[in-house]
Amino acid sequence: DTAVSQTPKYLVTQMGNDKSIKCEQNLGHDTMYWYKQDSKKFLKIMFSYNNKELIINETVPNRFSPKSPDKAHLNLHINSLELGDSAVYFCASSQGLAANTGELFFGEGSRLTVL
Amino acid sequence: AQKVTQAQTEISVVEKEDVTLDCVYETRDTTYYLFWYKQPPSGELVFLIRRNSFDEQNEISGRYSWNFQKSTSSFNFTITASQVVDSAVYFCALRWTTDSWGKFQFGAGTQVVVTP
Repeated sequence: DTAVSQTPKYLVTQMGNDKSIKCEQNLGHDTMYWYKQDSKKFLKIMFSYNNKELIINETVPNRFSPKSPDKAHLNLHINSLELGDSAVYFCASSQGLAANTGELFFGEGSRLTVL
Repeated sequence: AQKVTQAQTEISVVEKEDVTLDCVYETRDTTYYLFWYKQPPSGELVFLIRRNSFDEQNEISGRYSWNFQKSTSSFNFTITASQVVDSAVYFCALRWTTDSWGKFQFGAGTQVVVTP
């Protein structure tokens, strides 16, 4: 069974559209993340949720809205897509916050292409 | 500020050569954790190792070895007798524990190209 799964894996859409990426983890972790990897492979955190509570919200346009219905799911909705949103979006999970230093488990990534 | 620097953008080697990837970090925390991840061409991110700031013992796992030196704030990674399957982007990451909710800071990555 896949530990962290994201759907869709590929997403091609037009500028101005709205799209969502879903993420689920079956590891029993309580913390989930969204990372954005740009064309230069740089990984940057966007959001993090702990037990459905938003705990990290980096400087991300408010067109990006995460939602965590429960601690096993973290979805990402993007409104009014722009060319610069093209990237690979990785979902990840870990157990605990700063007090627990578990590694991140990543999903396979969702490659978003905005035309 | 928390920072991870991987100064080598790309390293090209011929199979069976050794390759060392440098990672230098900055943090004011006394307790922190360092990681290495591998991203092969298929795109997934694979965890390789975690090391805490109180454990400077070097580690070896098969052809992989890691050299952690607090004195120079470095956590270098060596692949011995490289193979084509080692071709990937390797990321060093720092996780600090104060006032950060366990945030990870990744380096820019080093692309390793191993040719037959």
